[in-house]
This record gives sequence, structure tokens and C-alpha cells, in this order.
Amino acid sequence: KAGVTQTPRYLIKTRGQQVTLSCSPISGHRSVSWYQQTPGQGLQFLFEYFSETQRNKGNFPGRFSGRQFSNSRSEMNVSTLELGDSALYLCASSLYIDQPQHFGDGTRLSIL
Amino acid sequence: AQTVTQSQPEMSVQEAETVTLSCTYDTSESNYYLFWYKQPPSRQMILVIRQEAYKQQNATENRFSVNFQKAAKSFSLKISDSQLGDTAMYFCAFRGNTPLVFGKGTRLSVIA
Repeated sequence: KAGVTQTPRYLIKTRGQQVTLSCSPISGHRSVSWYQQTPGQGLQFLFEYFSETQRNKGNFPGRFSGRQFSNSRSEMNVSTLELGDSALYLCASSLYIDQPQHFGDGTRLSIL
Repeated sequence: AQTVTQSQPEMSVQEAETVTLSCTYDTSESNYYLFWYKQPPSRQMILVIRQEAYKQQNATENRFSVNFQKAAKSFSLKISDSQLGDTAMYFCAFRGNTPLVFGKGTRLSVIA
């Protein structure tokens, strides 16, 4: 069974631009979560989706948004990029919300 | 709000020896899950072991076991017969009624 797939693996953007990251969950998994990982803040929760509905949202500004499609694939979007948005963005999927999460390799976003 | 504390930023262990990583958490919930995740330099987060709070028996997965002390809100990870491939960041995580909350991590180095 294929794991969680995140694309792209690396991304370089400049301040003020916007970016869209993609996550394909494990087949059959209906819950997708997103996390931001930085050396200073560690792992911080961004969003959680189940069956196309956002169930939880972390403490991030409105520039961060996401969605989940009917096939459970998810995207997150960051608008008006800032230097502080440089991070590893991890996506995780699980069968249901209370089940163990399986992570992808992440997207490394660098802002110049 | 739930918090997870890992008091050991870095640890090292000789190959074939045993090492214990500490984790404490704070919650007012009675039903929850605890996890240990491993993140090697390849950066993919891998689930090592999980514990349901309602289970008194400590979880075990091959060389990995936990010491779950619910009253003390402690959840330590013991790695037996350490191998070079165990070198990684280890994150303790809590899941109750809120999304997954991670500790800051412990960097474990296994020395030949």
C-alpha cells in the first residue's frame, strides 16, 4: 500500500508570493492533518480534515488555508508569504480522526 | 490546553545498550492516546508505539516499550539493544479531544 505522498518535496518562493502544497493520503484514509515544523517552534498543528470538512484549525493567521477533496486528497495554501513561513510542512493521514497518523516526507518551503 | 514536555534535548547511547527517553504531559482529560514518533534525518515521521490511556498494560513493539504512569502523567520510551538505525529525533505526542500535540523532541544518537 502506498504511503502518504506530498508534492513538491522542495519549494523556493519569495516574500509576497503564494504557494499551494498537495497531500495524497494512504488509500482508504479519510482524515488528513497538516503540521508546520521549524527548529524554533517544533511541530505545530495547522489543520485537520475529515470527509471534506475542516474539523480543527491551529493558531495560524488567515493567510494559511486548506481544503480536502472528495477523494480525500488535501491541499494547503499560504498567501502573502513571509520569511517566517520557511519550514517543513508535514501532512499525515489516518483512517479516522482518532486513529494513529501516518506521515508523508514533507514539503520543504524556503522563502527568500 | 494540553502540553507535552520532553526534558532531554539530546541523548546518546552505545550500540546494543538500553536507553530511556522521558516524556510528561498535562491534561484534564481521562480518555486519550499517547504516541512516540521517530524522525530520522530522512525526515519522514514514523510511528514507533502508541498507548491508549484506558489500558493499564504498557505497550511493546519489538525492542521498543513504554512505561506509562497515568497518575504521574508520564510516558517514557525504552529502546533495548540500540541499533545505529535508531539514530533520530524522537517525539512524544498526545491526542485527546484536540488534535495531536507534540513535545519538542529528543535527539538520540547511537554510537558504534
